[in-house]
Amino acid sequence: DIQMTQSPSSLSASVGDRVTITCRASQDISSWLAWYQQKPEKAPKSLIYDASNLQSGVPSRFIGSGSGTDFTLTISSLQPEDFATYYCQQYNNYPYTFGQGTKLEIK
Amino acid sequence: EVQLVESGGGLVQPGGSLRLSCAVSGFTLSDHYMDWVRQAPGKGLEWVGRSRKKVNSYTTEYAASVKGRFTVSRDDSKNSLYLQMNSLKTEDTAVYYCVRGYHSFDYWGQGTLVTVSS
Repeated sequence: DIQMTQSPSSLSASVGDRVTITCRASQDISSWLAWYQQKPEKAPKSLIYDASNLQSGVPSRFIGSGSGTDFTLTISSLQPEDFATYYCQQYNNYPYTFGQGTKLEIK
Repeated sequence: EVQLVESGGGLVQPGGSLRLSCAVSGFTLSDHYMDWVRQAPGKGLEWVGRSRKKVNSYTTEYAASVKGRFTVSRDDSKNSLYLQMNSLKTEDTAVYYCVRGYHSFDYWGQGTLVTVSS
């Protein structure tokens, strides 16, 4: 199985900050990577697919990049509604696997 | 508007069975791959299994943790996806999400809670 490792596991930041979350795959997954946002007691929401493509309706402050084994999700200017947990997911091989999550909290 | 609505969750004893349903609307089910993803209380996301679309003969894939115990199926005429869960274990306790996607998962249901406990 492909292991997905996110860092950091948690992050404190302020509204207006630029933040970056990293996701590393245990083997080359090309650009077959997605990012999701999950708020407490809610279903995850798709943000990014194919490493850098924004899902319809997702604000442009969410930026995905990377290929191979190293990927990043950058939020260019944090808004109050962005405080949530973020997950990366690979879909290069079965079983599809997720990172452990990064909890973004208000400083 | 795309909607996925799960039902069928509840409390079941270890070794028991449960069938989850997912009613979809706003798109043509037969044109899409469909998956189940679960989340244990306070934990991360785990992919459970997949049903490919009609043109791919509805073939399936499963996580090793559920293979041989869980079965994903669908009835396109009823716009419904199913997850038959047998030989349930306490570690299967989770919120189960129905999701749409070929590669990434673009739409998610609200989830249904399955609790396996004696």
